[in-house]
Amino acid sequence: AQTVTQSQPEMSVQEAETVTLSCTYDTSESDYYLFWYKQPPSRQMILVIRQEAYKQQNATENRFSVNFQKAAKSFSLKISDSQLGDAAMYFCAYTNAGGTSYGKLTFGQGTILTVHP
Amino acid sequence: NAGVMQNPRHLVRRRGQEARLRCSPMKGHSHVYWYRQLPEEGLKFMVYLQKENIIDESGMPKERFSAEFPKEGPSILRIQQVVRGDSAAYFCASSHDSHPSYNEQFFGPGTRLTVL
Repeated sequence: AQTVTQSQPEMSVQEAETVTLSCTYDTSESDYYLFWYKQPPSRQMILVIRQEAYKQQNATENRFSVNFQKAAKSFSLKISDSQLGDAAMYFCAYTNAGGTSYGKLTFGQGTILTVHP
Repeated sequence: NAGVMQNPRHLVRRRGQEARLRCSPMKGHSHVYWYRQLPEEGLKFMVYLQKENIIDESGMPKERFSAEFPKEGPSILRIQQVVRGDSAAYFCASSHDSHPSYNEQFFGPGTRLTVL
């Protein structure tokens, strides 16, 4: 079974600074997808960024980028120019690419990000 | 285009009662996933349904829990004889397809179930 581990229960950053959230995962599959989701206090889950395992290039979405290290099974999220609205719980998630996974997501425990003005 | 709708947003039940949670997927989506989030934990997969079919219920407890997604109407997650350990936030997500290469799961706002 696949597992996703987020070893940082809480992180904090000053507004306009950069912060990196860590995620490691364990799988025997070679083709899979990784995600970062944001859950603000409203509890609505919002997709931040997605990475396909077969792509060597790290995904980027505006101020959000990932560092995907396939051999190390590491998938960290970097938030640049942090804004107050970035404050939320962040979840790393994994799904297999095919077979009987049906796209179901395995989530990490989450990291609470606080942004200080 | 309305997003994924879940109701009720908050549900309080006493031990032994039944809880019915509803999820209306986004328009055009025929794939529904249910996840449970216990306090201070990440979301855990429960069940995946397509219209009128349960495809994968590997994450759903064998007793007291059931799910359906009828041809017409919302998907329902039903919990019979609730216990305090069922207190959690239940999230529904829908997608146009099940393959993650061209699929994004859109999440509803969740239903917070409290069992007294």
